[in-house]
Amino acid sequence: EVVLTQSPDFQSVTPKETVTITCRASQNIDNSLHWYQQKPDQSPKLLIKYASQSISGVPSRFSGSGSGTDFTLTISSLEAEDAATYYCHQSSSLPFTFGPGTKVHIK
Amino acid sequence: QVQLQESGPGLVKPSQTLSLTCTVSGGSISSGTYYWSWIRQPAGKGLEWIGRIYVSGSTAYNPSLKSRVSISVDTSKNQFSLKLSSVTAADTAIYYCARTGYYFDRNTWADYWGQGTLLTVSS
Repeated sequence: EVVLTQSPDFQSVTPKETVTITCRASQNIDNSLHWYQQKPDQSPKLLIKYASQSISGVPSRFSGSGSGTDFTLTISSLEAEDAATYYCHQSSSLPFTFGPGTKVHIK
Repeated sequence: QVQLQESGPGLVKPSQTLSLTCTVSGGSISSGTYYWSWIRQPAGKGLEWIGRIYVSGSTAYNPSLKSRVSISVDTSKNQFSLKLSSVTAADTAIYYCARTGYYFDRNTWADYWGQGTLLTVSS
């Protein structure tokens, strides 16, 4: 099973700051890594697919990078509506696994 | 626009079998190269993939739950279902159904999710 770790667990930031969240896989998963945003009482929403590919309708301030075992989600010029928990997810091999999440709090 | 909606009892007693159904609307469950998954999330915790099914009936399960899980599909109703046996309090969670793809020999992301249904295990 591919284990995903995320850092940090929690980040408190002010609007317009840039947020960087990292996700590390326990083995090479090429670019089979996807990012989701989950707001309280909502289901997860896809932000980035295949590590760096954008999703229609998702603001351009969300971007992803990485390959192999190390990946990054960057939120540029953070807005208040970006307060949420962010999860990475690997689809390289079964069972699918998710990272533990990074909670972003807006000061 | 594809939509998924979970339905289930809300409360199950310990040792009983949990049964949930996901109804797909806005598209056929039989069309395209899609798998239909169940994912759960205990309160305040992360996401755990339970398993998936293809329209042919082919399934895959998380080894951590494999001995207790069964997923089935009913194409006539555009639904797929989850059964989890011998439940305990540890199975209390929000259960989501979701669609994932399979393109060019690669599994992909979950692009559509249901709103989730809370399942509580308690006597």
